[in-house]
Formats: sequence, structure tokens, C-alpha cells
Amino acid sequence: NAGVTQTPKFQVLKTGQSMTLQCAQDMNHNSMYWYRQDPGMGLRLIYYSASEGTTDKGEVPNGYNVSRLNKREFSLRLESAAPSQTSVYFCASSPGGSATMRQFFGPGTRLTVL
Amino acid sequence: DAKTTQPNSMESNEEEPVHLPCNHSTISGTDYIHWYRQLPSQGPEYVIHGLTSNVNNRMASLAIAEDRKSSTLILHRATLRDAAVYYCILRGPNTGNQFYFGTGTSLTVIP
Repeated sequence: NAGVTQTPKFQVLKTGQSMTLQCAQDMNHNSMYWYRQDPGMGLRLIYYSASEGTTDKGEVPNGYNVSRLNKREFSLRLESAAPSQTSVYFCASSPGGSATMRQFFGPGTRLTVL
Repeated sequence: DAKTTQPNSMESNEEEPVHLPCNHSTISGTDYIHWYRQLPSQGPEYVIHGLTSNVNNRMASLAIAEDRKSSTLILHRATLRDAAVYYCILRGPNTGNQFYFGTGTSLTVIP
């Protein structure tokens, strides 16, 4: 099992450009999450999908959109990138959303917006 | 969001036990205490979680205070591979069943 995979690993964008970060999991998990981590900070939730067909905003959703393409895949789109979106982005999945469920994280995408 | 408080950093000598504290004075009765760690340049990984009773697994032990307002993650013998940022997180209905990561405790293991 590959677990949670993310593409690309690194990306450099110019202000105003758009891009989509891809995430896939092979553990048949229902819930998927997108986080961002700024230097020296903890992770902050951007969006999550409790189950296929549903998405909800997290702490910091502004400037992002998401798509739960199917049970395996959850993408994060930046429509018009800004320097403030320079960060490391982590995708995670869990079997469900209950308080006992652990999350499994991908390796991250390091994004720089110039 | 339910808050946790952790020291910014701690040091430990290799092969000695490490006790990582976490305060969560506003915890509700239904909040679970989760611990994750993040190795350099990697995504977080699960360590352990518990509700009321102390918990043990192959990675660590979790000691929960009787009033549940604090907990301690115990690494029984620190190795260099345990150098990471450790996050104490509350998760339950009051947090929307979501994770709120603080800044965690950066653990340095000294050879």
C-alpha cells in the first residue's frame, strides 16, 4: 500500500497563476483533509471531505477550492495564487470522522508563490 | 476550538526516558487526547490516543491525569529517530471532530 500520495512534491508559481494539488489514498478511507503548514507553525485545516460527495470548510479556506473526485482522490485548487499561499500543503485521510479515528498524512507539497 | 498548551522545546539524552507534557484545562468529557509527531520534512504521524485511562503501544505511553486537564506522552527510551515536533491535540464533538494543531514541542535528542 502506498498510503497517501501527493503530487507534485515541489511547485513554484507566479502571483496570479492557478494550479491543482493532487492527493490520493489507497486505504479505502471515507474522510480526506487538506492542511497547510507555514514555517514554524502547526498545521491548519483548509478543507475536508467527511465522505465521498461532501466537502466542508476548515479554519483557513479563503483562496482555495476542493473537489472530492471519488473515494480515493481529493484535489486542492488555487485559482489565483498569492504570496501568502506559500506554504507546505499536506493531505490526510482517515477511515471516518469520529474522534477516535487517526489520520494518515501524505509527504506534503512545498509551494512557493513569487 | 479546544486549546492545548505545550512547551516549545525539550531536550533529552539518547536512551533516556522522555516525558512530554500537555495542558488542556478546557477539555470536555467527550474529547479524546491525540498525539502526533512530525519528523523533519515529513507529514505528521500518529503516535497514540486516549480518553481517560492510560494507554500503551509500541511507540509510546500516554498518561492522563485523573481530572483530564493534562496528559503526558512518555517515550521510554529516546533514540535519535525520535527527534521531532510532538503535537498534543484534542478531538471530539466540540472540535467538530477535527484536528487543531498548535505549535507543538520540538524534541531534541542528544547523542
